[in-house]
Amino acid sequence: DARVTQTPRDKVTEMGQEVTMRCQPILGHNTVFWYRQTMMQGLELLAYFRNRAPLDDSGMPKDRFSAEMPDATLATLKIQPSEPRDSAVYFCASGLAASQVVGTDTQYFGPGTRLTVL
Amino acid sequence: DQQVKQNSPSLSVQEGRISILNCDYTNSMFDYFLWYKKYPAEGPTFLISISSIKDKNEDGRFTVFLNKSAKHLSLHIVPSQPGDSAVYFCAASESHTNAGGTSYGKLTFGQGTILTVHP
Repeated sequence: DARVTQTPRDKVTEMGQEVTMRCQPILGHNTVFWYRQTMMQGLELLAYFRNRAPLDDSGMPKDRFSAEMPDATLATLKIQPSEPRDSAVYFCASGLAASQVVGTDTQYFGPGTRLTVL
Repeated sequence: DQQVKQNSPSLSVQEGRISILNCDYTNSMFDYFLWYKKYPAEGPTFLISISSIKDKNEDGRFTVFLNKSAKHLSLHIVPSQPGDSAVYFCAASESHTNAGGTSYGKLTFGQGTILTVHP
């Protein structure tokens, strides 16, 4: 049963500290997404990668957030320095998007990382 | 600017009845639509989808209807069961074509509707 895994599941930290969230996409998927869920905004897309290359990170605060894919089995989202307004649940999702084929947008989500910045 | 809107934050339905969840969008370039279900402490899970070339897609108790002229889609669950109680998100996708080819995969989500099905 292939699943997206995320670590840690919960993270409590103090303002100003660095936070790193990790995601292992489903093997064989070529697209990885980072979302943030808040009460006000619902699910916001922060960034996404295809074949490990960043395609869109317009949803991320550039000064403090960074997203990378060191290899095909690991995606990271880093916040430095963290602020209380970053408190949210961060989801990673992966999918297999095939060019020229409509309907390949189904994404599979991990369980999320609940971040609390005090 | 919310391009995908779910105007009902919550919906309460009796077991066995029909649940209808609604979603509106503003971007006429969206050509693929999905519904996700989310339980507490879990990630959203894919439920059902529809391409803009169709106006209806059915999968068991779940049916999605698309009205392109009204930029509206709805999810019907019949009969509703207590296990359907969850947050439901609609999402939309737009294909992009440029010198590099056509890409898919970026979803825009609505805010979600909390469905409660009472026994």
